[in-house]
Amino acid sequence: AQTVTQSQPEMSVQEAETVTLSCTYDTSESDYYLFWYKQPPSRQMILVIRQEAYKQQNATENRFSVNFQKAAKSFSLKISDSQLGDAAMYFCAYRSDHSGNTGKLIFGQGTTLQVKP
Amino acid sequence: DTAVSQTPKYLVTQMGNDKSIKCEQNLGHDTMYWYKQDSKKFLKIMFSYNNKELIINETVPNRFSPKSPDKAHLNLHINSLELGDSAVYFCASSQTRANSPLHFGNGTRLTVT
Repeated sequence: AQTVTQSQPEMSVQEAETVTLSCTYDTSESDYYLFWYKQPPSRQMILVIRQEAYKQQNATENRFSVNFQKAAKSFSLKISDSQLGDAAMYFCAYRSDHSGNTGKLIFGQGTTLQVKP
Repeated sequence: DTAVSQTPKYLVTQMGNDKSIKCEQNLGHDTMYWYKQDSKKFLKIMFSYNNKELIINETVPNRFSPKSPDKAHLNLHINSLELGDSAVYFCASSQTRANSPLHFGNGTRLTVT
């Protein structure tokens, strides 16, 4: 069974600086998708970025980028120029592309990010 | 607005009661999910329906029963509520293809007293 691990329960960053959130996963599959979701205090789950495992190029979305290391099964999220609105809990998630897949997302435990003014 | 909407937002009830949470999506997705977020914020899949057919049922007590009248709706009914059922329940939807992200509702905070 696939698992997702976020080893940093809490992280903090100074406003305007850069922070990296770690995520590792375990799978025997070669085709899959990885996602980062943000959950602010409002409780809403917001998609931040996604990565296809077959793509070598790291995904980027404005200030958010990933470092995807397939061999190491690592998928970290880098937030540049951190803003106060980035303060939230961040979840890493895995989704299989295996045929017959049920489509479910498997989530990590989450990392709470604090942004200091 | 196009979205996943679930009601109610908050639900406070006593042990032993029966309650329902409703979910609707107007994104045209063919798969819908229920996730439970516990007090430690861990998110775990409970159920998934694809075109009204149950495809995931993850070790959830029989007191929980999902119902999908059509592919735009997935409701969750809970019988004989227990203290341990207190959590935030999220509805989500997506297309079946694996690169389609899940779109989440805003969650229902259930408190059982």
